[in-house]
Amino acid sequence: DVKVTQSSRYLVKRTGEKVFLECVQDMDHENMFWYRQDPGLGLRLIYFSYDVKMKEKGDIPEGYSVSREKKERFSLILESASTNQTSMYLCGVSGWNEQFFGPGTRLTVL
Amino acid sequence: AQKVTQAQTEISVVEKEDVTLDCVYETRDTTYYLFWYKQPPSGELVFLIRRNSFDEQNEISGRYSWNFQKSTSSFNFTITASQVVDSAVYFCALSESTSGGSYIPTFGRGTSLIVHP
Repeated sequence: DVKVTQSSRYLVKRTGEKVFLECVQDMDHENMFWYRQDPGLGLRLIYFSYDVKMKEKGDIPEGYSVSREKKERFSLILESASTNQTSMYLCGVSGWNEQFFGPGTRLTVL
Repeated sequence: AQKVTQAQTEISVVEKEDVTLDCVYETRDTTYYLFWYKQPPSGELVFLIRRNSFDEQNEISGRYSWNFQKSTSSFNFTITASQVVDSAVYFCALSESTSGGSYIPTFGRGTSLIVHP
């Protein structure tokens, strides 16, 4: 089975800090993506990447950036964290007919 | 307009009742994939089923069954004889091909299922 790991399960940061959320897969899937999950809103796509150094904006990219220097690693960056970025962040990978998700990072911005 | 609509925000049942979670999707693609995930309180998304657009066969796995109907763009999920351990949020998702050829899922807002003992 594909394993997707995220660097932290829980994270607490202060407003204005730069935050890195890392996601690593142990298979060779091209597509990786980041979602945030908020009550009542479901999962919303922030960014996705279909290859190394390639990225596409999702539905809510504002306030976020991403980096994919290696195929197995996809990082989500909050340049200057704000309280409205407090959320659950889920990383996923997909092939053409399958998809897997990491355990999630619950980020709190104070 | 939402691409994936889960009209039921929350469902509450008593153990052993049957329950159906609805999912309606919207797409212009002829090739797409539909998924159901379970999210327990721990937060991890647990994969339940994948169905491609060319396979309209219903599927049964133990107490779980899925009814895929392209004519009504629906992919409903039924739990038979529900148990307390079924309590979770359930998400339906649609994967369509992007302009780059990737398949990126779009999720519904989820249905919270509460099963009372």
